[in-house]
Amino acid sequence: AQRVTQPEKLLSVFKGAPVELKCNYSYSGSPELFWYVQYSRQRLQLLLRHISRESIKGFTADLNKGETSFHLKKPFAQEEDSAMYYCALNTGTASKLTFGTGTRLQVTL
Amino acid sequence: EPEVTQTPSHQVTQMGQEVILRCVPISNHLYFYWYRQILGQKVEFLVSFYNNEISEKSEIFDDQFSVERPDGSNFTLKIRSTKLEDSAMYFCASSDAGASTDTQYFGPGTRLTVL
Repeated sequence: AQRVTQPEKLLSVFKGAPVELKCNYSYSGSPELFWYVQYSRQRLQLLLRHISRESIKGFTADLNKGETSFHLKKPFAQEEDSAMYYCALNTGTASKLTFGTGTRLQVTL
Repeated sequence: EPEVTQTPSHQVTQMGQEVILRCVPISNHLYFYWYRQILGQKVEFLVSFYNNEISEKSEIFDDQFSVERPDGSNFTLKIRSTKLEDSAMYFCASSDAGASTDTQYFGPGTRLTVL
């Protein structure tokens, strides 16, 4: 069965510091991975997906099949990055998303 | 930009009562989903729906749950006889196609409190 692990419940960094939010997955097939973000009192929204290989708001994520990871990175954290971040896996059989438990990113001055 | 909407934002009900949670997916989307998040836990898949049929459902989605697209715009989740453990945030989502690479767009959620 598919599984997503986000080991950190809370990550606190200073403004301007690099950020890495960890995500590991368990799936034997070819995964499709996503990062969703939830800002305070707002809905879950897509941040980026691995197939697009894009950078959104300065964030990037690279799928590492050898390590089964899809870590989210940003070189310089901004205050407005403070939010809840969820890694999600779609295995394609029914397009259901399997979410990790989420990591709260707190960017302080 | 079109968004998924959900009503009500908060529903309080007594144990054993029926509740209907409503969602209006993005208008040209064909695939619809319900997820739930119990406080402090992860977002969990409940059911996916396409072409007026359930595509897949999770173990959580037992006989107490049902989904319906009663008209061309609404997508509803019904819980027939609510239990205390049904208290959660319920999210509706939609996507334009059902491929695994497609983005699912989420609504703001309905907070269900069962007393």
